[in-house]
Parts: sequence; structure tokens; C-alpha cells
Amino acid sequence: NAGVTQTPKFQVLKTGQSMTLQCAQDMNHNSMYWYRQDPGMGLRLIYYSASEGTTDKGEVPNGYNVSRLNKREFSLRLESAAPSQTSVYFCASSTSALIYEQYFGPGTRLTVT
Amino acid sequence: GENVEQHPSTLSVQEGDSAVIKCTYSDSASNYFPWYKQELGKRPQLIIDIRSNVGEKKDQRIAVTLNKTAKHFSLHITETQPEDSAVYFCAAGNSNYQLIWGAGTKLIIKP
Repeated sequence: NAGVTQTPKFQVLKTGQSMTLQCAQDMNHNSMYWYRQDPGMGLRLIYYSASEGTTDKGEVPNGYNVSRLNKREFSLRLESAAPSQTSVYFCASSTSALIYEQYFGPGTRLTVT
Repeated sequence: GENVEQHPSTLSVQEGDSAVIKCTYSDSASNYFPWYKQELGKRPQLIIDIRSNVGEKKDQRIAVTLNKTAKHFSLHITETQPEDSAVYFCAAGNSNYQLIWGAGTKLIIKP
């Protein structure tokens, strides 16, 4: 039981490049989330998917897009990376949106130069 | 907008002493209050949580208290140990079933 997995672990991009962060969970959870974590700040919600087939914006969605590919997988795409998107990105999942307990992946450290 | 304020930002305590971290939330409809521990370079992990129909919850050396009237909740760690050193985050579950997070408290346990 791997829990929540994320790829890649590290990534360096040049300004304007695009990339997709992958997230998968094997806990049969319905809800999935993407957060970013910047130094000295808490976690900020980018997008979430309450259930398969639905996605909604969180607190900081600008510059990102998401795809809930199936129940297991939820990807985050940066279409044109900017230095302000340098951060650590965490994916999380929960049984459902009504059950708040969230389980986190190991994170992706992204640097945009 | 909704926010969660967390204090202090850094807390240094002697090993064996108690540590208390406090959070205040703004959304009166919030009904779920978790605490996460994040060790350096690792993912956040849930250590304890409380729902709005309960005033206090304990799990061994950690406890959480909730005052809904004042809209604040606290994490208490007793008999602190070196492995308690980490960043602790509080959060509040809002009416859209999202978690609003505090900025974190770096807990340092001095030997």
C-alpha cells in the first residue's frame, strides 16, 4: 500500500516551459487536492477534486490547470512556468470531501529560473 | 476572506517541558480542526484532530482543546522529547469542505 505518490521529486524549469506533476493514490479515496508550500507560509490550496469527474479552484489557481484522470490520479499542469511558481507542491487525498482527514504525498520541489 | 492565525511562529522549550501552540480562525461555520506535524523535508502528517462537538481530545502526550465561542483552538504537547522537533500546522475545515491552514510553528526542543 503506497498511499499517495508523486512524480517527479525534483524539477528545474526555465521561465515559459511547461510541465505536468503527477499524483496517484491507492487508498480508494474520492477526493484529491493540490497544494503549494512556500517558506514561512502554510499550505495553500491550488485546485481540488471532490470526486472523480469534478474539479474546483482553490485559493491560488492562477497559472495552473488540473485533470482528474480517474479515481486514482490527479495531475497538475503548469502551462508557462514563472519564477513565482517556485515552490514545493504537495498532493493529498481524503476519503471524501465530507471527511476532512487528508493524506499527503512526499512532495515535488520545483524551481523555475 | 477566511483565515487561520497561528502563534507563535517559533517555540523553543526544554526537553521534558510542555509546549502550547494556539490558532484562531475566522469562519464561524468551521467544524473540523486538525493538527499536522511536518519534519524537515517530509510531508505533513496528521497527529490529532477535533470536531466542533467536542471541547478536548487527548492522545498520549498530545491534546487539542477547542473554544468555539472564542474561535480558537490549541495544541498541547507534554513531556516534550527531541523527536517532537518539527513544524506544526493547524487548519480549520470550512463550509466548502476545504482546509484553511495556519502559517506553522517551528518547535525546537532543547536538550
